Amino acid sequence: GESVGLHLPTLSVQEGDNSIINCAYSNSASDYFIWYKQESGKGPQFIIDIRSNMDKRQGQRVTVLLNKTVKHLSLQIAATQPGDSAVYFCAENMENRDDKIIFGKGTRLHILP
Amino acid sequence: KAGVTQTPRYLIKTRGQQVTLSCSPISGHRSVSWYQQTPGQGLQFLFEYFSETQRNKGNFPGRFSGRQFSNSRSEMNVSTLELGDSALYLCASSLVAAISYEQYFGPGTRLTVT
Repeated sequence: GESVGLHLPTLSVQEGDNSIINCAYSNSASDYFIWYKQESGKGPQFIIDIRSNMDKRQGQRVTVLLNKTVKHLSLQIAATQPGDSAVYFCAENMENRDDKIIFGKGTRLHILP
Repeated sequence: KAGVTQTPRYLIKTRGQQVTLSCSPISGHRSVSWYQQTPGQGLQFLFEYFSETQRNKGNFPGRFSGRQFSNSRSEMNVSTLELGDSALYLCASSLVAAISYEQYFGPGTRLTVT
């Protein structure tokens, strides 16, 4: 599946550096947040999730930070690799919308050699 | 374990026609969700099926419908196609319910309406 391509913000990062992708969410009632990665020609792939009762969660080379005060979510990728090139989406679960997942617009991560 | 498969991968239709897309979830997964992805609107939730019942529905017109079979395979149908229906349609499966569990997406069906 081709990623949404025309109007996405792009983050360019040197290979080996850390990447930080940010996302603002809209509903303070959201209680579950997810990061997805979408590579060209593929569907989104689950990376990591976090619940609203946490402010940090770590995975393999990835960390998600949640700041409920300012309704901000970030994904940190350590030691960025060429294979990390993709579009990254944050998503939120809004309880007052019947448990539907709402996706952000996405950020394209471009790795510089 | 085989991933989520979607057929066909590409489809071209004309306005006014109808289309049916198919999704086969990962074996053992009972929840199937459908999403529409466009450059302008991004990823938007269409509906979710669980055990042959529609559990959730997004804000799409009634031209968009779906169903799930006893083997968890799902189809979505779009009737009276409009140009704005051109999009990538993604299907995702999860073990139980879409929310709070990892969803596994298929590669999508690229629909072009002319």
